[in-house]
Amino acid sequence: DAKTTQPPSMDCAEGRAANLPCNHSTISGNEYVYWYRQIHSQGPQYIIHGLKNNETNEMASLIITEDRKSSTLILPHATLRDTAVYYCIVRVRADKLIFGTGTRLQVFP
Amino acid sequence: DAGVTQSPTHLIKTRGQQVTLRCSPISGHKSVSWYQQVLGQGPQFIFQYYEKEERGRGNFPDRFSARQFPNYSSELNVNALLLGDSALYLCASSLEGARRANSPLHFGNGTRLTVT
Repeated sequence: DAKTTQPPSMDCAEGRAANLPCNHSTISGNEYVYWYRQIHSQGPQYIIHGLKNNETNEMASLIITEDRKSSTLILPHATLRDTAVYYCIVRVRADKLIFGTGTRLQVFP
Repeated sequence: DAGVTQSPTHLIKTRGQQVTLRCSPISGHKSVSWYQQVLGQGPQFIFQYYEKEERGRGNFPDRFSARQFPNYSSELNVNALLLGDSALYLCASSLEGARRANSPLHFGNGTRLTVT
């Protein structure tokens, strides 16, 4: 079973920051938090991952709380093309990812 | 750079038939994984191969099998197809595979299999 809890859906206005929360209260010390997104009819797209420290790349920022029990993915300036299902994953084993049901983000004009 | 490529993109088969799906990883990636995504659900892990050896297996029946070739490409085979095998089959590649959880998986766009 997935070790994460995400809201089923969220809305965001175009140009605003989208903040997607994720709870992972049972995470262990050596388990990474990964974020993927899936646009309709495409494969999941890797966004970002982290262990303890906050991470930033060209797509997004990942904020992990100090106790590591929750995290937030931030898309700084959402566009219509960011409409997708966003998956937060705690990588328990190196050989696989366990996907939950994700958050359906709808960006509106 | 080319991403993960899968073929065919779409496939229609009849119950009881066999199917082979193909995957080419990103250049330099030695690990290939297979996932099944049923409509409305997240992807589910089927297999992982690293350096041509199976390194992980999900909760799927023996009708599902896979292999990895010396060039790191991979095939997924499904025998005796059932209606419930209708799904999007995703292939993902990564540099390190089962050795490191710090190596992201990169997915292809999948093969849409319909069993009638």
